[in-house]
Amino acid sequence: DGGITQSPKYLFRKEGQNVTLSCEQNLNHDAMYWYRQDPGQGLRLIYYSQIVNDFQKGDIAEGYSVSREKKESFPLTVTSAQKNPTAFYLCASRLSGDTQYFGPGTRLTVL
Amino acid sequence: AQSVAQPEDQVNVAEGNPLTVKCTYSVSGNPYLFWYVQYPNRGLQFLLKYITGDNLVKGSYGFEAEFNKSQTSFHLKKPSALVSDSALYFCAVREGSGTYKYIFGTGTRLKVLA
Repeated sequence: DGGITQSPKYLFRKEGQNVTLSCEQNLNHDAMYWYRQDPGQGLRLIYYSQIVNDFQKGDIAEGYSVSREKKESFPLTVTSAQKNPTAFYLCASRLSGDTQYFGPGTRLTVL
Repeated sequence: AQSVAQPEDQVNVAEGNPLTVKCTYSVSGNPYLFWYVQYPNRGLQFLLKYITGDNLVKGSYGFEAEFNKSQTSFHLKKPSALVSDSALYFCAVREGSGTYKYIFGTGTRLKVLA
């Protein structure tokens, strides 16, 4: 996990509330990714960013938003439009090569 | 479309025995293949990758993987399993050049029995 931090570790959301998950990396990596992990479904890509001030939708972007104002930061907002947000969220980063490195994750639960 | 399949939800193996976790893939062009391991409530840890070169790739913690182009497989192996190897293992493939998007399998839970 080293070099990539995610906070908080656990997060609880009420119905209709937006929440923001933090992802910070000090690896000087160019690209950053957000994945959602559900039991038995593996990892699904939400958003990714290959450079600052640019990002692309992944396979399940609806109900989520991101920003990439700084190279080291890629926060994910889970909006009230995401109807089933309870999941484990993983952030990853990549330098110029092919290998992604992952943060420790944030577990989001809807109350 | 690119895809990755891990046909086994769970693999049980006795400690000290060899282990294999299976992965097959479908990509257009040359495959870029990865194995990751995940312990409970943790992020994924990189084990090894195949980009080009030797078909047998050696990685962390004594793991290796064999790339087989004709069978489109990239099975993870270890000669002698440890109880501490018990975890969730993911195979992943990078999509075609330029996008740097990755597709993950659904994961295989490895249980090593003492």
